Amino acid sequence: AQKVTQAQTEISVVEKEDVTLDCVYETRDTTYYLFWYKQPPSGELVFLIRRNSFDEQNEISGRYSWNFQKSTSSFNFTITASQVVDSAVYFCALSEGSTGFQKLVFGTGTRLLVSP
Amino acid sequence: DVKVTQSSRYLVKRTGEKVFLECVQDMDHENMFWYRQDPGLGLRLIYFSYDVKMKEKGDIPEGYSVSREKKERFSLILESASTNQTSMYLCASGGLGGLHQPQHFGDGTRLSIL
Repeated sequence: AQKVTQAQTEISVVEKEDVTLDCVYETRDTTYYLFWYKQPPSGELVFLIRRNSFDEQNEISGRYSWNFQKSTSSFNFTITASQVVDSAVYFCALSEGSTGFQKLVFGTGTRLLVSP
Repeated sequence: DVKVTQSSRYLVKRTGEKVFLECVQDMDHENMFWYRQDPGLGLRLIYFSYDVKMKEKGDIPEGYSVSREKKERFSLILESASTNQTSMYLCASGGLGGLHQPQHFGDGTRLSIL
């Protein structure tokens, strides 16, 4: 069965610190996609990034970077020089297609608190 | 930008009431989803729909039903609300095209059943 584990329930950092959010997944599919979403206090989940199972290149977008390693089934998310506006709950998700329909399996989320 | 609109941000209902949560998307997406979010459990899929009048059960459909009469609208129905259905409910939509399509979410409805 598909499963996504975010072992870190909550992380607290001080502004300008770097922080890494861990995501470990399980799947028997050879083709799959991984996603990261951000949920600020307002409640809406915001799509951040998508990565397919055949592309292990790391990606950087501003202060955000993602490290995908199939060998360890991990898709970790690093925020460099964190800011107060980064405070949110972050979800990692796996796209499951075994039924023929696109379904997302979510991790339990990591709450990031960035204090000034 | 995709816009997914949920009819209420906060809702308080009583045990046994029939509750309707409405969701509308403006991007002509085929797929729509209802999740509930609970602390420590993440998001769990209740139902989804891949076309008008079509629906599929998710992981936790018990106590819920859905309706999709128009492409842009997907309703979640609590037939007889119970206190264990107090939760945050999130609606999402996504286009056709397979596993790579991201889902776009509404702001959520925080539902309290008293």
